[in-house]
Amino acid sequence: QLLLQESGPGLVKPSETLSLTCSVSGGSISSSGHYWGWIRQPPGKGLEWIGAIYYSVGTYYNPSLESRVTISVDTSKNHFSLKLSSVTATDTAVYYCATAVIKDDAYDHWGQGTLVSVSS
Amino acid sequence: QSVLTQPPSASGTPGQRVTISCSGSSSNIGTEAVNWYQQLPGTAPRLLIYNDHQRPSGVPDRFSGSKSGTSASLAISGLQSEDEADYYCASWDDSLKGYVVFGGGTKVTVL
Repeated sequence: QLLLQESGPGLVKPSETLSLTCSVSGGSISSSGHYWGWIRQPPGKGLEWIGAIYYSVGTYYNPSLESRVTISVDTSKNHFSLKLSSVTATDTAVYYCATAVIKDDAYDHWGQGTLVSVSS
Repeated sequence: QSVLTQPPSASGTPGQRVTISCSGSSSNIGTEAVNWYQQLPGTAPRLLIYNDHQRPSGVPDRFSGSKSGTSASLAISGLQSEDEADYYCASWDDSLKGYVVFGGGTKVTVL
């Protein structure tokens, strides 16, 4: 049973970089066929896909965020990370990490989510 | 504004059948599979349907998905109180370099 857990600062200042890590247990992050992704949800709003990394293949990003986003994998720590630069208040959201095992873009395992607020 | 269009709300009484629509375009639903997620209040989303109509292990067969052209639907048969949640459709979009797009979500209320 794959378990995912997000971690990182709950408060980030405007113009700084938001950094989150998703720790994976119950399986190896280097397993083939898994997409490791980030999805966010502003308070009271819907879901927005940020991007995903397909281990040893490449990364895919939401075009609206691509210039500010980096997703990477650290196989030695069995975790993957999100960096979002130049944040503003509109980046305030619950950030979820998730993985798609059953099918490329069908996220069937999710972390519990972590709220990140952008404020000075 | 979301790439996929869903009605903001739907409702029904216990035991009824409720249907949620999801409208897209030729670059997403028209050529790619649709997935549906259920989000109970205060929790992470849960995959409900993938590949238009397939259910992951553990999802009751009261939930069913279908697709025609550039639109998809999620049906909940035998509505139960625990089905009160937000439901999101999602699909891969082939435009630009490709990315996942979500609908705006539909709040289902059990009356």
